[in-house]
Amino acid sequence: DSGVTQTPKHLITATGQRVTLRCSPRSGDLSVYWYQQSLDQGLQFLIQYYNGEERAKGNILERFSAQQFPDLHSELNLSSLELGDSALYFCASSSQRAGGRRDYGYTFGSGTRLTVV
Amino acid sequence: AQTVTQSQPEMSVQEAETVTLSCTYDTSENNYYLFWYKQPPSRQMILVIRQEAYKQQNATENRFSVNFQKAAKSFSLKISDSQLGDTAMYFCAFMKWVGGGTSYGKLTFGQGTILTVHP
Repeated sequence: DSGVTQTPKHLITATGQRVTLRCSPRSGDLSVYWYQQSLDQGLQFLIQYYNGEERAKGNILERFSAQQFPDLHSELNLSSLELGDSALYFCASSSQRAGGRRDYGYTFGSGTRLTVV
Repeated sequence: AQTVTQSQPEMSVQEAETVTLSCTYDTSENNYYLFWYKQPPSRQMILVIRQEAYKQQNATENRFSVNFQKAAKSFSLKISDSQLGDTAMYFCAFMKWVGGGTSYGKLTFGQGTILTVHP
């Protein structure tokens, strides 16, 4: 167990629908990152939150949005789903400062496999 | 923007032998981290080894070591005494220093190398 919890593990939904993926970071980590892994695009960074605020944005579609709540868990919302959104979605968390006393590294959850049919 | 290239889509090695996976990257940054991650069939992303760009000494973790050539922008992973459990997809990844130089940021991944260890 990496300490980063993602739910659900698997999700099958129809085109046009909306889903929410959830991530609980490792205890004490303030940063949460979302990544998408697909066959054609590989592993791509979507978005980062730090202590509730958006910190960096990557190749995230407008149909996708995310937020981080006061208890530091994060949700990734995917709407108007298309077949091409089928992928493995990873959440990762990290400590505030690399190399610091509480630096346990950059840890990934086990992912949510989304299948759009 | 940074790019990471893994030129070997697939590699294979016999158990107990040594294998080297290649990675090159392109960046204008001077301070950054480089990582190798392992993704076994379970799909979990597992950190194998990390290298800080300012350190000249190559990182090692048990059977895993890297050859970091900053000027050449090369970061290869050597796996010694290969084991069946090393069979996995291996990703090279780049992270630039952000927020004053010691904060984590986004990872940029290569396309991955599938490593198969044969008995």
